Amino acid sequence: GQNIDQPTEMTATEGAIVQINCTYQTSGFNGLFWYQQHAGEAPTFLSYNVLDGLEEKGRFSSFLSRSKGYSYLLLKELQMKDSASYLCAVRGLRNNDMRFGAGTRLTVKP
Amino acid sequence: SQTIHQWPATLVQPVGSPLSLECTVEGTSNPNLYWYRQAAGRGLQLLFYSVGIGQISSEVPQNLSASRPQDRQFILSSKKLLLSDSGFYLCACPIQGAYGYTFGSGTRLTVV
Repeated sequence: GQNIDQPTEMTATEGAIVQINCTYQTSGFNGLFWYQQHAGEAPTFLSYNVLDGLEEKGRFSSFLSRSKGYSYLLLKELQMKDSASYLCAVRGLRNNDMRFGAGTRLTVKP
Repeated sequence: SQTIHQWPATLVQPVGSPLSLECTVEGTSNPNLYWYRQAAGRGLQLLFYSVGIGQISSEVPQNLSASRPQDRQFILSSKKLLLSDSGFYLCACPIQGAYGYTFGSGTRLTVV
């Protein structure tokens, strides 16, 4: 089975940096993904890690440690539009099916 | 690039009524397709996935079923809805040539 844990809610200030953590336990691992989901909308793909280390994409970075079953999403220079839920997901080895955490609701305040 | 169409966007159905949600994919062929459900304030739960026409794998035993009558069509059905079937239903497929999934815009189902 799979367990994917992330904090339920976080609050940060516009212009600041925030780190959203995700820990996972899985029987098969084929990549870790982060998605952004605005209220009432479908998730959109943000980042992907399959090897240990940091992947940077503009204001967003994602880190993975496979031995620790740990990832984080780092958001820099926060903007009000970054207020959303951030979903951590693990892809398994069977048919590339993806399992999601419950999501972290980030509120960015002025 | 592929596009996923889902309809309807919103649906209110009485308990015990049937359900049929349709998902169609454009811009790709023979994709893996997935149905997810997101209950209010919760994460996405994988319900069904399909690797090809007529091939369905169920992840969670429940009163829902899925079918794939055509390569780019994936249907979610129920004969009798329960209150617990309320949620946001999302169809997804892998992003062609890249990582991650593309999601349809979803159907918000409220069972009353």
